Parts: sequence; structure tokens; C-alpha cells
Amino acid sequence: ETGVTQSPTHLIKTRGQQVTLRCSSQSGHNTVSWYQQALGQGPQFIFQYYREEENGRGNFPPRFSGLQFPNYSSELNVNALELDDSALYLCASSGPGTAPSGANVLTFGAGSRLTVL
Amino acid sequence: GNSVTQMEGPVTLSEEAFLTINCTYTATGYPSLFWYVQYPGEGLQLLLKATKADDKGSNKGFEATYRKETTSFHLEKGSVQVSDSAVYFCALPSGTYKYIFGTGTRLKVLA
Repeated sequence: ETGVTQSPTHLIKTRGQQVTLRCSSQSGHNTVSWYQQALGQGPQFIFQYYREEENGRGNFPPRFSGLQFPNYSSELNVNALELDDSALYLCASSGPGTAPSGANVLTFGAGSRLTVL
Repeated sequence: GNSVTQMEGPVTLSEEAFLTINCTYTATGYPSLFWYVQYPGEGLQLLLKATKADDKGSNKGFEATYRKETTSFHLEKGSVQVSDSAVYFCALPSGTYKYIFGTGTRLKVLA
């Protein structure tokens, strides 16, 4: 089975720009979650998508938005980039279903490392 | 909400040494508990899990036991290898859709 793939792997943007990150979920998974991992920190939950709708959101401003497509792949968009947005952005798929549990664990991609100058 | 506190690193050990990384949690009910590992330049991989109290999760020589009395889920390995050098994260679900991760413990194993 194919795992979670993310693109691009690295990118550099300047403050105020916009960025789109992409994620293909693991085969058989219908739920996608995005996490932000700042340097030296654990991942922080941004939001979750299920059935092409945002299913839950963490403590991130509205300039962080996303999409999920019928094939369960997903995008994370960040507008008006700030220096503090520099981080590793991790996509994780899971399913079927949305609730985290021992039977519904997250499978992570390798991440997209964003640097904002 | 649920929370997790993880032992700070870095932890530096010689090959074949015994490893313990402490993790304690605060949770409503008895959620499943997880350890994830992140190798350099990669995303997180599930290392092991335990779904109920007194369960022991194990994988690749690593073990962790779900202790509700001490609200702990400490990660152990009897003999570490250089290839175990990575960052280890303790995690648990919080609410109906997200996980809470610890800050991570960096392990460096010297040959």
C-alpha cells in the first residue's frame, strides 16, 4: 500500500506571500489531518478534513485554510505568511472514520519544510 | 483537555545501554496512548501503542506499559543501537479529532 506523500519537500517564501502544500493520503484512508511542527517542538494540530469538509480545527488563525478532494487528497493554504510560520508541516491520514483511537491511528507523511524570510 | 508531559532531552547513551524516556499524561477517561518516532529528515512513524490500562505496547525491542495508577507511559529498550538515534514523541487523543503530542525527546546513541 502507498503511504502518505507530501509536496513540496522544501520551500522558501517571503513574509506576506501565500503558500499551498499538498498531501496524498494513504490508500484506504478517508480522513486527513494537518499538523505544524516548529523546530524542537512536537506537532500542533491545525485542522482535520473528512468528506471534503473541515471537521475540527486547532488554535490557528483563519489565514490557515484547507481543502480535501474526492480522492481524499488535501491541500493546506497559508495566506499572508509570517516569520513564525516557518516550520515543518505534516500531513497525516487515518480512517475509516475520524475519531482518534488505537484502531484509527495517524499515518504521517515526511512533511513540507517551509522557511519564511 | 488532555495533556502530556515528556522527559526533556537530549539523551545520549552508548550502544547497548538501557533506555527509559518518561511520559506522563492527564486525560479524561482512558484513551489510547502512543509513542511515535521521527528519524532525521522524516515525518513521524508510529512506534507502538496501548489501548487500555495495563496494556503493554511493543515494537522493535521498545516497550511501554499503560499505567493508570501513575498516569504514565514510559518508553523502554533494553539495549539501544546507533540506528535508534531519533526524536521520540509521546501522544494521546484529545477530543474527537486531534492528538496531543509531547515536546519530543532526542536520543543520540554513540557507537
